[in-house]
Amino acid sequence: DVKVTQSSRYLVKRTGEKVFLECVQDMDHENMFWYRQDPGLGLRLIYFSYDVKMKEKGDIPEGYSVSREKKERFSLILESASTNQTSMYLCACNRESNQPQHFGDGTRLSIL
Amino acid sequence: GENVEQHPSTLSVQEGDSAVIKCTYSDSASNYFPWYKQELGKGPQLIIDIRSNVGEKKDQRIAVTLNKTAKHFSLHITETQPEDSAVYFCAASGAVGFQKLVFGTGTRLLVSP
Repeated sequence: DVKVTQSSRYLVKRTGEKVFLECVQDMDHENMFWYRQDPGLGLRLIYFSYDVKMKEKGDIPEGYSVSREKKERFSLILESASTNQTSMYLCACNRESNQPQHFGDGTRLSIL
Repeated sequence: GENVEQHPSTLSVQEGDSAVIKCTYSDSASNYFPWYKQELGKGPQLIIDIRSNVGEKKDQRIAVTLNKTAKHFSLHITETQPEDSAVYFCAASGAVGFQKLVFGTGTRLLVSP
């Protein structure tokens, strides 16, 4: 089974801080994704990466950046955290486009 | 871009009943439709998926149907059990360029014993 590990289950940060969320997958999958999940809004794509050092904006990239220096690791960065970024963040990966995505268990981030 | 609508937002059934969750999509070129189950404190897990060249797919108590003409697809769970209680998400993936998933807003299913 594919294992997607998100470094923190819960995180509390203050407004203006730079926040790093880390995600590691163990199956050598090409594509990795970051979503945020909010009640009533479902999952919304923030950024994705289809190769090392490659990144593409998703539907809601404002206020975020990403880094993929190694194939197995995909980091989400909040450059200057704001309260409206309080949310559940989910990382996912898949081997090829249009193949099932495998999700981590999420990081619940609170910005105070 | 693609837009996916999901109904109902909550669904309560008695154990043993059937449950149906419906989704509509906007992009007629979409060709991949997965369903995910999310239990409390966990990430979404794929439970079944269907591609646009197939009208129906079954896996034990779970089935998905796809109507391309009407642009809607549905999840059917028969003989529901309390462990089916979770949030279910549908998604659709387009056929142009890198195929990103667009998710519905989720259905909270509660199965009462």
